[in-house]
Amino acid sequence: EPEVTQTPSHQVTQMGQEVILRCVPISNHLYFYWYRQILGQKVEFLVSFYNNEISEKSEIFDDQFSVERPDGSNFTLKIRSTKLEDSAMYFCASSQLATAADTQYFGPGTRLTVL
Amino acid sequence: EDQVTQSPEALRLQEGESSSLNCSYTVSGLRGLFWYRQDPGKGPEFLFTLYSAGEEKEKERLKATLTKKESFLHITAPKPEDSATYLCAVYGNTGKLIFGQGTTLQVKP
Repeated sequence: EPEVTQTPSHQVTQMGQEVILRCVPISNHLYFYWYRQILGQKVEFLVSFYNNEISEKSEIFDDQFSVERPDGSNFTLKIRSTKLEDSAMYFCASSQLATAADTQYFGPGTRLTVL
Repeated sequence: EDQVTQSPEALRLQEGESSSLNCSYTVSGLRGLFWYRQDPGKGPEFLFTLYSAGEEKEKERLKATLTKKESFLHITAPKPEDSATYLCAVYGNTGKLIFGQGTTLQVKP
């Protein structure tokens, strides 16, 4: 069964450093998403991406964040200058259709720890 | 602002003891309501999508229902392997999937 994969599973970085989180969405999916979940809190929407453009973003997704689809299979989230409060699980998701409310399938997550 | 509230926050059941989890929502133009299961340290695993009031979906011991204001996830004769956090999320006109806090279910043998 196709699934979303994410690397690395755990990333430890120093405050102020740049990190890139990587995702491989399900192959025939067209919409891609990033979410984060701070320990003990809700899963929060960050950004959606379709046709090589950002479709929607939340207020969390400020100038320190960027997303990219560098090739036909990968989807990345870059955090330019990490802060302590960026420590969280980051989930990538993808959905097949380019219509609203199609089911989103989530990856296993990357645990980001900022020291 | 779209909002999802789940209750109870935590639920302990004996194996075989049926119960229901509640998801109350306010959303501008509901386009879909989703139930996910999340195990500790893992990503949300898709269970059901409901699109309109009156709709019901079933899978094994789980059944999801939807009204105009809330959704229920009914668990019939649960087993220990059903222990997890169950997440409810709504997708509306904002184009963002909004999650509730989740209900953590523990089923004891």
